[in-house]
Amino acid sequence: DVKVTQSSRYLVKRTGEKVFLECVQDMDHENMFWYRQDPGLGLRLIYFSYDVKMKEKGDIPEGYSVSREKKERFSLILESASTNQTSMYLCASSSGLQGNEKLLFGSGTQLSVL
Amino acid sequence: DQQVKQNSPSLSVQEGRISILNCDYTNSMFDYFLWYKKYPAEGPTFLISISSIKDKNEDGRFTVFLNKSAKHLSLHIVPSQPGDSAVYFCAASNDYKLSFGAGTTVTVRA
Repeated sequence: DVKVTQSSRYLVKRTGEKVFLECVQDMDHENMFWYRQDPGLGLRLIYFSYDVKMKEKGDIPEGYSVSREKKERFSLILESASTNQTSMYLCASSSGLQGNEKLLFGSGTQLSVL
Repeated sequence: DQQVKQNSPSLSVQEGRISILNCDYTNSMFDYFLWYKKYPAEGPTFLISISSIKDKNEDGRFTVFLNKSAKHLSLHIVPSQPGDSAVYFCAASNDYKLSFGAGTTVTVRA
């Protein structure tokens, strides 16, 4: 059963901590994405990657960075966590570059920054 | 500035009746549209899609309609079932990035 796996379902961190969110996919997909979901705002794209070691900023990249050293793994990094980064974080992957590939999402990580 | 808008945050419908979810977009370059469904504590799952060259796509109980001139699409669920209670996100793309709406929470009453 193909899937996208996020390492943590719930995470509680303190302001100023460095936070790593890990995502692994087993479908050999080229593209990987990080979204955050907030009430009333839907899903907003933070960063995406269309190849190993490649990354592109999404709509809200400020305060975040990413790493893609291997095709199957895409990490989201909060260099210095702040309370406004409390959110549900969703990783997704897709294949190809046609613009109509269906994203496959992980179950999400609910991050609370205190 | 959100390019995809779902103006109804919630919808309550009786079991067996039709659910109609609406979505508007502003970017005329979008050429592919999708609907995702999300249950609590799970990631969104793909439901149905439509290309900009079509005006209707049907899959079982789910039908998506696209009106390009009005930059509007809708999702019809007929008949609605209790398992359809979830958050529904509209999404649009013009490359391999998707822009999502804020979501509509559907509650199907028995």
